[in-house]
Amino acid sequence: QVTLKESGPVLVKPTETLTLTCTVSGFSLTNIRMGVTWIRQPPGKALEWLAHIFSNDERSYSTSLKSRLTISQDISKNQVVLIMTNMDPVDTGTYYCARVDSVNELYGDYWGQGTLVTVSS
Amino acid sequence: AIQLTQSPTSLPASVGDRVTITCRASQGISTALAWYQQKPGEPPRLLIYDASSLESGVPSRFSGSGSGTDFTLTISSLQFEDFATYFCQQFKSFPTFGQGTRLEIK
Repeated sequence: QVTLKESGPVLVKPTETLTLTCTVSGFSLTNIRMGVTWIRQPPGKALEWLAHIFSNDERSYSTSLKSRLTISQDISKNQVVLIMTNMDPVDTGTYYCARVDSVNELYGDYWGQGTLVTVSS
Repeated sequence: AIQLTQSPTSLPASVGDRVTITCRASQGISTALAWYQQKPGEPPRLLIYDASSLESGVPSRFSGSGSGTDFTLTISSLQFEDFATYFCQQFKSFPTFGQGTRLEIK
């Protein structure tokens, strides 16, 4: 059974750095085919793909957020970590991690429940 | 970035209706398109990938079609549990999503 679970702070202050962790089970981060993505959704708005990573450490970032994002993985812990710097109130929203089928099939077939992050002083 | 435009933004419908949602890409994406369903408080659920392939476990009343720039998601006979918001997503280049179509009870 494939599961993903997001964890991290529910409240961060403007200018602070956000660190989110996605803990996966039911598949291996060493699987040469599969990867993990982070996607966010402001309240009542559309989805935004932030970054993804594959087992060979291939990473890709949203062009508009690239300077603020770092994605990494800890295979021993079955975790993928997203770091977003210089948080702003517009970054408020639900952050999801999802499993990606393959490097040529970049869609999420299994999703975590999401974690709501509020940016406020 | 490739932009996706969904229409309509909101779609009132009744149980039993056949409904179609459209997604238009700002440039050709072949069949690199997925459709998701999202209900309030839940993560998106993958319905269709590669424009027309039905994800395992998704009812056969859902179907997708299209290639290039124009795509459709069709629900052949709307069920109560289908009232939700639907998003398209392209993966020809760095993934982007449409703005969503809210399927509402008429």
